[in-house]
Amino acid sequence: ETGVTQTPRHLVMGMTNKKSLKCEQHLGHNAMYWYKQSAKKPLELMFVYNFKEQTENNSVPSRFSPECPNSSHLFLHLHTLQPEDSALYLCASSQVGLAGRSGELFFGEGSRLTVL
Amino acid sequence: AQKITQTQPGMFVQEKEAVTLDCTYDTSDQSYGLFWYKQPSSGEMIFLIYQGSYDEQNATEGRYSLNFQKARKSANLVISASQLGDSAMYFCAMSRLIQGAQKLVFGQGTRLTINP
Repeated sequence: ETGVTQTPRHLVMGMTNKKSLKCEQHLGHNAMYWYKQSAKKPLELMFVYNFKEQTENNSVPSRFSPECPNSSHLFLHLHTLQPEDSALYLCASSQVGLAGRSGELFFGEGSRLTVL
Repeated sequence: AQKITQTQPGMFVQEKEAVTLDCTYDTSDQSYGLFWYKQPSSGEMIFLIYQGSYDEQNATEGRYSLNFQKARKSANLVISASQLGDSAMYFCAMSRLIQGAQKLVFGQGTRLTINP
């Protein structure tokens, strides 16, 4: 069982809907990440939270809104999405300050989003 | 900017044979990390092996080894004695620390299929 849990695993939404993706890590890490995986494209880093503070926003459109209430939980709020936003959204966590392998990212199984 | 290149979109290998998955990278950083992840059809990214840029010896983790050639900027993954369960997508990634958090840049991946 993975130490990073994502819900829902699958989500279908219309372009006018508002939904949220949830990520919870049980590893005691203090950095969390959102990645987007589209077909035939490399994984793209979207957001990085380090000690609950957002340290990276990779030019992500404002229709994606992250929230990190504590070091164990991370949300991605979605509103007025486009069909091209359909993708697998992966959450990950790591321990800040540990370079090398011990700072590796642990990923969840992802939330597969389909925008109609 | 960092860049990862995986030139093999797909590979087919007979069970029990060894397989090498290619990865080249480009960076101006002196200190960096190189990771390999496996992604089965379930979607989860599973960490396989890590190589630090200052590590003099090639990393090994069980059946996985990383052939690190720093001058050529390559970090190929070698899987010995392949198994049916090795069939999956494999991603090479390079890390950069941002305020302690790992920023991973991924390649496009190689789909490995192990034939019985």
